[in-house]
Amino acid sequence: KQEVTQIPAALSVPEGENLVLNCSFTDSAIYNLQWFRQDPGKGLTSLLLIQSSQREQTSGRLNASLDKSSGRSTLYIAASQPGDSATYLCAVKTSGTYKYIFGTGTRLKVLA
Amino acid sequence: AAGVIQSPRHLIKEKRETATLKCYPIPRHDTVYWYQQGPGQDPQFLISFYEKMQSDKGSIPDRFSAQQFSDYHSELNMSSLELGDSALYFCASSEGNGELFFGEGSRLTVL
Repeated sequence: KQEVTQIPAALSVPEGENLVLNCSFTDSAIYNLQWFRQDPGKGLTSLLLIQSSQREQTSGRLNASLDKSSGRSTLYIAASQPGDSATYLCAVKTSGTYKYIFGTGTRLKVLA
Repeated sequence: AAGVIQSPRHLIKEKRETATLKCYPIPRHDTVYWYQQGPGQDPQFLISFYEKMQSDKGSIPDRFSAQQFSDYHSELNMSSLELGDSALYFCASSEGNGELFFGEGSRLTVL
């Protein structure tokens, strides 16, 4: 059974810092991994999708990496801004399934 | 660009009543997923459909049922509602195994 965890659970940083969010999964036979952002009471916004054959994906100030063998993905946010404050969730789709399992999320607060 | 449309956005029901949530996926998306998110929790997978057939099942109560119709929209039916069913219900869609896109969610409150 796939289990996904994220650390830290919460993070508070001053504006301008570079930061790393971590996602770990127990079953390395994944099809793809996706990072999302969720604002309070809102829907989930897709940030980056990494397929199992890829090592990383980049979009603007965001960079996500994937290491299947160690069961890890990291989301790197460069030059953080107050508008980045949200909960960040990773979700894993295991091969042979039609479901994404979500991690516990990292609640990020960027202070102006 | 078209997004995933969910209705209603808000729903208030009494215990033991029935509720139906609707989801309209992004055009050309053939896969629909339903998730339940309680306060402060991560989204929990309920059920998914690929090409109108159930493709995977998670922690969906027997009181709940869902289907995907010929136009690819999906409905989640919830009966004998309990207080614990109060949550945000999200629908998401993808084209096959591609990127997952979520709707804004339907907030169900059971009194």
